[in-house]
Amino acid sequence: EAGVVQSPRYKIIEKKQPVAFWCNPISGHNTLYWYLQNLGQGPELLIRYENEEAVDDSQLPKDRFSAERLKGVDSTLKIQPAELGDSAVYLCASSFHNTEAFFGQGTRLTVV
Amino acid sequence: DQQVKQNSPSLSVQEGRISILNCDYTNSMFDYFLWYKKYPAEGPTFLISISSIKDKNEDGRFTVFLNKSAKHLSLHIVPSQPGDSAVYFCAAIRGSQGNLIFGKGTKLSVKP
Repeated sequence: EAGVVQSPRYKIIEKKQPVAFWCNPISGHNTLYWYLQNLGQGPELLIRYENEEAVDDSQLPKDRFSAERLKGVDSTLKIQPAELGDSAVYLCASSFHNTEAFFGQGTRLTVV
Repeated sequence: DQQVKQNSPSLSVQEGRISILNCDYTNSMFDYFLWYKKYPAEGPTFLISISSIKDKNEDGRFTVFLNKSAKHLSLHIVPSQPGDSAVYFCAAIRGSQGNLIFGKGTKLSVKP
């Protein structure tokens, strides 16, 4: 069974540019999470989807971040415009009815 | 305000000995707890979990203990192996509608 797939693995962009990350969850998993992980910290939730509905986006900086999960399967996280402080690892995870979450390998974003 | 705390940033253990990783939480409504293991440049991988109705769960060399009155859980690895060297994250969740909340992690080094 394929795990959670994220792309790209690495991304380097200049500040003020847009960037997008893609996630394909494990088949059949209805819950999808986007997390942000800074160096030396634990993952911090950005948004959680149940199927296509964003049930918690309270930690998503909506002035520059947006996310979508069309058809309740794969998801895209976008930042526009990116700032230097957005440099981090962006992790996607999925679970079946909010039980054990399985993570992708993450996208390491560097904003220069 | 951190709801899940891992107060030891690092732990060093000799191969073959026991590793004990600790985690404290503040939210008494958490009812499911998980441990994740993370290698560099990879996403966290699920290791073991425990429901709040239990006080112990064992899986091979890994055992998680839960003390609800103290709001404390611990992960025991016996015997420790060099391949166990990784960052370990404690996480907690409240019900089927809650978010998965992570601690900051403890870096375990198992020396041959």
